[in-house]
Amino acid sequence: NAGVMQNPRHLVRRRGQEARLRCSPMKGHSHVYWYRQLPEEGLKFMVYLQKENIIDESGMPKERFSAEFPKEGPSILRIQQVVRGDSAAYFCASSPRQAPEGTQYFGPGTRLLVL
Amino acid sequence: GENVEQHPSTLSVQEGDSAVIKCTYSDSASNYFPWYKQELGKRPQLIIDIRSNVGEKKDQRIAVTLNKTAKHFSLHITETQPEDSAVYFCAALNTGFQKLVFGTGTRLLVSP
Repeated sequence: NAGVMQNPRHLVRRRGQEARLRCSPMKGHSHVYWYRQLPEEGLKFMVYLQKENIIDESGMPKERFSAEFPKEGPSILRIQQVVRGDSAAYFCASSPRQAPEGTQYFGPGTRLLVL
Repeated sequence: GENVEQHPSTLSVQEGDSAVIKCTYSDSASNYFPWYKQELGKRPQLIIDIRSNVGEKKDQRIAVTLNKTAKHFSLHITETQPEDSAVYFCAALNTGFQKLVFGTGTRLLVSP
């Protein structure tokens, strides 16, 4: 059973460009979470999605950031007009159901560098 | 909202010693407490978790204890090995909100 997959693993963008990060949850998992990790810091919750629904986006900046989890295909975190402060590791996690029964398992992350 | 504090930020031990990492949380409604190990450049890996209806849980060399009254939980690693060296994160979750709130991490270094 493949784990949570994320691509790309590394992404370099210039200021003002768009970044698109993809996450494929583990097979059988219908809950997806995105977290951001700044260098030398802990992970911060951004958004929680189920298929075709955003359940909780309380951790996501109001501007330039959006997320989706379509009926078919991976979940996508989109950052428009990137700025240097967006440089971070973005981790996706998935669970088969809501916690505590549904433990969250993390993908390998996408490391975004904004030049 | 929930706030999780973690101590110490760094911990150096000799191989074979025990290591203890402590966390406190603020939201008494939190009821799920996982611990993740993160090696440099890698994903956070779940190593153990505990639910609020349990006071202690053990898995080989790793144990976690929870004191709901004091809102403390701790990770205990016995007989440490160099491969235990990593950053360890505690987290708390209120199942009403489904988002993990992480501590700031503890960098554990186990010297041979």
